[in-house]
Amino acid sequence: QKEVEQDPGPLSVPEGAIVSLNCTYSNSAFQYFMWYRQYSRKGPELLMYTYSSGNKEDGRFTAQVDKSSKYISLFIRDSQPSDSATYLCAMLMSGNTPLVFGKGTRLSVIA
Amino acid sequence: DAGITQSPRHKVTETGTPVTLRCHQTENHRYMYWYRQDPGHGLRLIHYSYGVKDTDKGEVSDGYSVSRSKTEDFLLTLESATSSQTSVYFCAISDPSGQSPTGELFFGEGSRLTVL
Repeated sequence: QKEVEQDPGPLSVPEGAIVSLNCTYSNSAFQYFMWYRQYSRKGPELLMYTYSSGNKEDGRFTAQVDKSSKYISLFIRDSQPSDSATYLCAMLMSGNTPLVFGKGTRLSVIA
Repeated sequence: DAGITQSPRHKVTETGTPVTLRCHQTENHRYMYWYRQDPGHGLRLIHYSYGVKDTDKGEVSDGYSVSRSKTEDFLLTLESATSSQTSVYFCAISDPSGQSPTGELFFGEGSRLTVL
């Protein structure tokens, strides 16, 4: 079993839909949880970061962490065609340990 | 954008030839990483460095070596390239004890390598 599991999709939604992206993990030592967005032929860029359990909101994006269930989510409200990208979850135990990535979910938002 | 430059951005080479990819940063971040990204596998860590001349292996280090003689440069070498090393290679940096204490990574634009 991989440490971090993420459904690769692809996921296709109409413009304006609410998108839910999810990852599960097995290592309870993970403390920092991140979501990266990667546009085609570009490097990943940090989208959201959360520490421990709880929610964090940034505009149309909400990151949610449930450590008891070892489950993290990214919600995108009012999705736009410009949100079409691959979304990778990532997590680490401490700042000095390598980041562990999910495989990424490819999202297409159709106008 | 974080100051990370990868070179070359595209390279086609033949099996058995040596290849070196370069990552150059202007952020003075302590940690540097090399990942490869392949369909169905996501991002996989090859090697990383936590300081000048300090490196460690990642999950897919076989067939790769690295060197870091200066803070700003991290080189990835394929001593004898094979077709299985055809991939997109990403360099990343982080600074967990300084500018980004949570350890988030900043990525370069990627180097696309094709081994024929």
